[in-house]
Amino acid sequence: DIQMTQSPSAMSASVGDRVTITCRASQGISNYLAWFQQKPGKVPKRLIYASSSLQSGVPSRFSGSGSGTEFTLTISSLQPEDFATYYCLQHNSYPYTFGQGTKLEIK
Amino acid sequence: QLQLQESGPGLVKPSETLSLTCTVSGGSISSSSYYWGWIRQPPGKGLEWIGSIYYSGSTYYNPSLKSRVTISVDTSKNQFSLKLSSVTAADTAVYYCARTGELSLYLDNWFDPWGQGTLVTVSS
Repeated sequence: DIQMTQSPSAMSASVGDRVTITCRASQGISNYLAWFQQKPGKVPKRLIYASSSLQSGVPSRFSGSGSGTEFTLTISSLQPEDFATYYCLQHNSYPYTFGQGTKLEIK
Repeated sequence: QLQLQESGPGLVKPSETLSLTCTVSGGSISSSSYYWGWIRQPPGKGLEWIGSIYYSGSTYYNPSLKSRVTISVDTSKNQFSLKLSSVTAADTAVYYCARTGELSLYLDNWFDPWGQGTLVTVSS
């Protein structure tokens, strides 16, 4: 199985901060990587697909990059509604695996 | 606009079989080369892919659950289903259905959209 390791597991930041979350794959997954945002009690929302493609309707302050084994999700200027848990997902090979999540909290 | 909706019992007894159905609306489940699947999330924990089915019926399961999972598709009802046997309290989770892929070069239809999720509690 491909292990997806997210870092950090939790972090606190302030409105307006630039935030970067990293996801490392235990083996190469090309660009078969998606990022999701989940708020408490809500359905995970896809933000980024194919490592760097922005989902329609998602603010441009979200961006993704990477290929192979290292990937990043960047929020350029945190907004109050961005405080949530973020997950990466690899769908390069079965079984598909999610990262353990990064909980982004308000400082 | 494609929409997915889970349905099924919210309470299952230990050792019994959990059965859920996902109804697809806004498009035909067999009109394109899509994969459909299930993901679960225990309370307060992360996401776990359970398995996926191609519209033609080919299935792909998480090895951690493979011995207990069956996913099937009913194209006449535009539905696909999940059965998980011999459940224990560890199977208590919110279960989501989603479009989990497409047989094409493009990745925009992977893991999107999702259903709203349904909580299944395993308890006697």
